[in-house]
Amino acid sequence: DAKTTQPNSMESNEEEPVHLPCNHSTISGTDYIHWYRQLPSQGPEYVIHGLTSNVNNRMASLAIAEDRKSSTLILHRATLRDAAVYYCIRKTGANNLFFGTGTRLTVIP
Amino acid sequence: AAGVIQSPRHLIKEKRETATLKCYPIPRHDTVYWYQQGPGQDPQFLISFYEKMQSDKGSIPDRFSAQQFSDYHSELNMSSLELGDSALYFCASSLDGPYEQYFGPGTRLTVT
Repeated sequence: DAKTTQPNSMESNEEEPVHLPCNHSTISGTDYIHWYRQLPSQGPEYVIHGLTSNVNNRMASLAIAEDRKSSTLILHRATLRDAAVYYCIRKTGANNLFFGTGTRLTVIP
Repeated sequence: AAGVIQSPRHLIKEKRETATLKCYPIPRHDTVYWYQQGPGQDPQFLISFYEKMQSDKGSIPDRFSAQQFSDYHSELNMSSLELGDSALYFCASSLDGPYEQYFGPGTRLTVT
């Protein structure tokens, strides 16, 4: 499986930005970086993905290091509804997702 | 917008029984994936289908089988159920390629 490394947990104050790091040092040139999150008692939810360039969407931003060995998911203003487990996934040629341990984000009111 | 539909949402079976889980992908999505999430664990990929053909296989037990039908819905068949099969089973769908997957709400299977 395609390995990524994330901190087990992080905390953020409500309405502050959150930077969730991910290391994928063995990434190959064609691997995409995907982020999903899973809220309690729900299925995983797509957040964002990218290949080389930084990406923005309505949910978050994805900053990818120039050497592509790491990336950072940025939530610009954390809300209580953003409390979830965030998974950074290196998507290889196979289309299926290999979920690692993920980062459990706690948002403090 | 239409989402992935899974049925049933909850299922209780006894050991050694069989179970069938159904998944209806988002319209026009040609790829379906099945994942298993045990209590307190992360989702684990089981199997996927593209255009009704099996495209990849993960940690799916031999007791499980799956298929995708002509209308693109998929069924996961589970036989000789064991207590350890108790889990949330998620189906996801996507377009083929490096695109995002959309997950259903899951089927919670309890084996007693």
